Formats: sequence, structure tokens, C-alpha cells
Amino acid sequence: GAVVSQHPSWVICKSGTSVKIECRSLDFQATTMFWYRQFPKQSLMLMATSNEGSKATYEQGVEKDKFLINHASLTLSTLTVTSAHPEDSSFYICSARLSGGRGTDTQYFGPGTRLTVL
Amino acid sequence: GESVGLHLPTLSVQEGDNSIINCAYSNSASDYFIWYKQESGKGPQFIIDIRSNMDKRQGQRVTVLLNKTVKHLSLQIAATQPGDSAVYFCAETFSGGYNKLIFGAGTRLAVHP
Repeated sequence: GAVVSQHPSWVICKSGTSVKIECRSLDFQATTMFWYRQFPKQSLMLMATSNEGSKATYEQGVEKDKFLINHASLTLSTLTVTSAHPEDSSFYICSARLSGGRGTDTQYFGPGTRLTVL
Repeated sequence: GESVGLHLPTLSVQEGDNSIINCAYSNSASDYFIWYKQESGKGPQFIIDIRSNMDKRQGQRVTVLLNKTVKHLSLQIAATQPGDSAVYFCAETFSGGYNKLIFGAGTRLAVHP
């Protein structure tokens, strides 16, 4: 259980185009999902917290107009990279929060999406 | 900003040996810690977690130790196998942070036959 999927797994696009990445919790509902970015040989950096039915909360330094997040249902959050540029090339990973019964929730991660902007 | 962990080092071990991966955290308010394993091109995979009211927790072949006095976390892997080769990240969070995870820099574990 607790499977999170991402689509697509990789994408190559031209500079200036927009790319949408989907994150789905397959067997549980997630009111909260998170989006991370990871550059090669580096750690995961939280970009934003996505809350179902409300606006996302962005981390300091992340442009909300460039990285549009929509959490329209309890199983789907999308990240749209608008007007992508080569410096946006990265590995984008989402996670979905599963509420546990012990008072501490667990995040389950998707497999990631490799974005390459030419 | 706050940070967890060290610059990405590499730990090389022989198959069958025990591995110890270390992590330092900076936020004394953190009360929940998780170790993740990430294989190349994949998302992080949950390994084991520990709350701040514990100092040790054991799983299958893995043990996490928490030393709150020096804000240090370690992951011990017994009888390391080639399949354990990956990058390991510690992450911290605190109850007031709505489960926002702060990841450490990671450690690459290389297991040699």
C-alpha cells in the first residue's frame, strides 16, 4: 500500500514551453502533497506544500508564478513549470502525506520526473 | 536557513560488513526523524523512523540511533548487501511544521563484493 505515482517519468522540452507533472496517490487519499526538486548529487529541496482545495504554500525563493501547483482532488496534485528554461532542468519529486494512527504522518514519495529543458 | 546533515560523502564497505551512516541536525525543535534510501533515478524510499522520545529503534537489518544531546542521528545496516548500495538521506521534521521535511545532504553507500 501507500503508492505514489508520477507522470511523466521523464520529459524533454524546448526552452519557453510549459510542462505539467502529475502526482497521484494510488491507494490512499492525501490532503497534503509536497513537491521537491533535486539537482544531481544533491539533496532534495522542498519547493512547496500542496493542500487539497486551497492555495499551495511555497518555500522561500521559489517563484509561485513559475511553478504552478494545483491540488484539485485528494489523489492528484500537479506541478506546471511555466516558460521552462535550461536552469529548470532537474529531478522533480512529489510526496503524499498519509495520516497514521500514531499522531505522526508519513510521507510517501513518487518515483520522480526528470525534466530536461533544451 | 536550517540544514540537516553533512556534505555528501561516500562510504565504501565490503559485502557482509556492518555500515554506519551519520547525520547531524540543527533544529533542536525537531521531534521526528526519518531515514530514506534513494537509488539512482528513483524517489526516496522510507527505511526507518524514530521519534524524539526514543534513542534507538530497530528494524530488519537496520537500527537508528538518536542522540539529542549532540543532535546526531545514525543509521546502522547489518550485514550490508550489494542491494544496499544507494544514497541515504536523513530527514527531520517537527510537529508544528505540518510535516515539512528537511533533508540532509546524503551519504552514498557503495558495497563491494
